[in-house]
Amino acid sequence: AQSVAQPEDQVNVAEGNPLTVKCTYSVSGNPYLFWYVQYPNRGLQFLLKYITGDNLVKGSYGFEAEFNKSQTSFHLKKPSALVSDSALYFCAVRDTSSSNTGKLIFGQGTTLQVKP
Amino acid sequence: DAGVIQSPRHEVTEMGQEVTLRCKPISGHNSLFWYRQTMMRGLELLIYFNNNVPIDDSGMPEDRFSAKMPNASFSTLKIQPSEPRDSAVYFCASSRSRVDTGELFFGEGSRLTVL
Repeated sequence: AQSVAQPEDQVNVAEGNPLTVKCTYSVSGNPYLFWYVQYPNRGLQFLLKYITGDNLVKGSYGFEAEFNKSQTSFHLKKPSALVSDSALYFCAVRDTSSSNTGKLIFGQGTTLQVKP
Repeated sequence: DAGVIQSPRHEVTEMGQEVTLRCKPISGHNSLFWYRQTMMRGLELLIYFNNNVPIDDSGMPEDRFSAKMPNASFSTLKIQPSEPRDSAVYFCASSRSRVDTGELFFGEGSRLTVL
């Protein structure tokens, strides 16, 4: 079965420190992987995606993610965290069984708390 | 583009009442998704449409829930009768599934409170 796992409910980092939000996936075939961010009382916003090519993907707001096929991981990273990065982060993988309808399978989400 | 537009943003109703949530997807997008978000269950996919046709409604909780997409620019999610456990934030999202690589664009959500 296709799935996405975010093993941490919450990640706490100090402002200015690097951050990592973890994601692992299980999917048949080549994965299409995504990260979304949700600020309080807002909808989810697209951050970045991996489709093919370079394993390090750069996205919005200085975020990047590293695709690791052998570890089936797609961790979200940022070199220097900002307080304004505090939000709920979702990892997602495209459902390859849904035949081009664009359905995504989302993880449970990880709350990132950046403290001043 | 205005993005995905949902209405109402907030709805407070009493148990037993009918609730209708509305969504206007981004023009040109051919897939539309309804999600529900709660603290307990996280983000759940309820139903999705492709080219206005429902593809998978296995996430719809029960017969009290129904969704329609009469044309490419409008969809509704209806709950009748509503119950307190339906209280949640309901999101609509759209994508150009046959062109792009699956990026979803979400609306701001409709926060439903059933008393």
